[in-house]
Amino acid sequence: DQQVKQNSPSLSVQEGRISILNCDYTNSMFDYFLWYKKYPAEGPTFLISISSIKDKNEDGRFTVFLNKSAKHLSLHIVPSQPGDSAVYFCAASAKGNQFYFGTGTSLTVIP
Amino acid sequence: GEEVAQTPKHLVRGEGQKAKLYCAPIKGHSYVFWYQQVLKNEFKFLISFQNENVFDETGMPKERFSAKCLPNSPCSLEIQATKLEDSAVYFCASSQGSSITRQFFGPGTRLTVL
Repeated sequence: DQQVKQNSPSLSVQEGRISILNCDYTNSMFDYFLWYKKYPAEGPTFLISISSIKDKNEDGRFTVFLNKSAKHLSLHIVPSQPGDSAVYFCAASAKGNQFYFGTGTSLTVIP
Repeated sequence: GEEVAQTPKHLVRGEGQKAKLYCAPIKGHSYVFWYQQVLKNEFKFLISFQNENVFDETGMPKERFSAKCLPNSPCSLEIQATKLEDSAVYFCASSQGSSITRQFFGPGTRLTVL
């Protein structure tokens, strides 16, 4: 039973526009969430995180929003750049225990 | 080192053979995690270590899979009598401190079982 879901396997966005990647979770005990970016043949690299005590965290072009009541988080990238083309995974953890990952969304930013 | 190192990069085994994968965490990181990614799907957690002690093994298959993190040695993940469904990319990650937050991933080992 998958506890973290990314329902959009792929997303294409024009360069300069906003990319919105979505993630839903089922476990209300999750209190820490991360987004990872992954290029082919490489391991995932950490992008941004958010604790459940916040509803927004911003780092440069990347902003993560958390809606606890909806058990939903999203990653906004603005403006999108061709170098952002990668697979993005969201992950969630409850009280520092193991992380559960989603299946990823492949983002393509079109120049 | 400054990066998580995983060896080998690729491993091919015949069904029933043993496979052993290695992971050197970032120096100073006390937590090591193993994940299995089958066919570009989600990362399935296998096991984690705090130094040489098993921290969480709830994702480890009960049979055929074992893992160790011994002092002054790379961590290892061993699969006895591999099966076709073990074909996957196995990622190792490490993190520092007592709070499991940001994990740094290695490049993965691609295991192909024929």
